Amino acid sequence: SQQGEEDPQALSIQEGENATMNCSYKTSINNLQWYRQNSGRGLVHLILIRSNEREKHSGRLRVTLDTSKKSSSLLITASRAADTASYFCATGNSGGSNYKLTFGKGTLLTVNP
Amino acid sequence: NAGVTQTPKFQVLKTGQSMTLQCAQDMNHNSMYWYRQDPGMGLRLIYYSASEGTTDKGEVPNGYNVSRLNKREFSLRLESAAPSQTSVYFCASRPPGGGQTQYFGPGTRLTVL
Repeated sequence: SQQGEEDPQALSIQEGENATMNCSYKTSINNLQWYRQNSGRGLVHLILIRSNEREKHSGRLRVTLDTSKKSSSLLITASRAADTASYFCATGNSGGSNYKLTFGKGTLLTVNP
Repeated sequence: NAGVTQTPKFQVLKTGQSMTLQCAQDMNHNSMYWYRQDPGMGLRLIYYSASEGTTDKGEVPNGYNVSRLNKREFSLRLESAAPSQTSVYFCASRPPGGGQTQYFGPGTRLTVL
């Protein structure tokens, strides 16, 4: 079953605006990751935040994690048309060699030029 | 480095036919994964291999078998394809030493008629 649920399912913004996507999950996690998928392509890892971290930055990306609410958000600042893609959150267990990721259903972001 | 490669890119089968999806990685990763992606469902784990010689079931293993041929290659076999197996299949790998991100191949789009 899906661990993460992204919200909204779809988001349409203008170039230059900020985009915020949210992810909620159900069980305790070791880490939470965000991936991007361009149409017809595989997933690309964007950023990982560990369960003991609250915020992380990478370029125009900002991720927050609230383990008490079992939620995370991904903020993309100053969006560009090239940011148009689906974004997935994925939660990682602490299974050692049996480590697995569980993915949400994704948010489709459209950035209009 | 080619990263994670998958063959074929596209395949059309008739119900009852069999086929093997191939995946290879040249990054010396230990763990490899097979996912399927259906519209509105995100990615669901079919099988994974924590290391050469081991395989384990994921969330949706029914109708599939896997082989970890060596450290580089992890194949997914459909013995008797069904229309419900129409999907996009992704292979992924994970670095050794506790690496928690996954690296994805470009996917195989499979249609079962």
